[in-house]
Amino acid sequence: DTAVSQTPKYLVTQMGNDKSIKCEQNLGHDTMYWYKQDSKKFLKIMFSYNNKELIINETVPNRFSPKSPDKAHLNLHINSLELGDSAVYFCASSQDGPGGYTFGSGTRLTVV
Amino acid sequence: DAKTTQPPSMDCAEGRAANLPCNHSTISGNEYVYWYRQIHSQGPQYIIHGLKNNETNEMASLIITEDRKSSTLILPHASLRDTAVYYCIVKVYAGNNRKLIWGLGTSLAVNP
Repeated sequence: DTAVSQTPKYLVTQMGNDKSIKCEQNLGHDTMYWYKQDSKKFLKIMFSYNNKELIINETVPNRFSPKSPDKAHLNLHINSLELGDSAVYFCASSQDGPGGYTFGSGTRLTVV
Repeated sequence: DAKTTQPPSMDCAEGRAANLPCNHSTISGNEYVYWYRQIHSQGPQYIIHGLKNNETNEMASLIITEDRKSSTLILPHASLRDTAVYYCIVKVYAGNNRKLIWGLGTSLAVNP
């Protein structure tokens, strides 16, 4: 039973398209995150939701819009995809408190 | 948040202890030290965290110096499966602000 699951695992799409990545966690965690890992392997936070409320919104183009229907789900919708959006996107979750995150296995997005 | 410095790469023989250092000389009193690792193409995996005291779990031990300016992650009997990039991060636990700033980490190669 996967703790943090993301779908799809791979996504190849053309420039200008709109796509969504879904994330679900079954750990009962209160906070969920989206991270982007670029080709240089830097992991950079994009968004964080706590109990469906947006907590962290980094400097991300407004083509990226997170949606949290409930505290177990945090989806990422991307409009008008660009070549520079190609990266691996990771979803993560954490419980209230100083403990660690649990990450999903990632979605490799390739824009052609 | 304090910045961390890690060697870019290290080697370790299989079965031996792997000692991964991290320098965080500007750490403040309420910042935790976290360790994660990322095995190739997988999501980052939480290993351990600590504030002042040394910590041990089933994966590793974390040794924090008395002045808290550096720490060492110890994998007591490294296996080939421990080959990964290891990230040391310091972070204040403050309410909902759980943004982790990731560096490039240490690429650990465990050799047979």
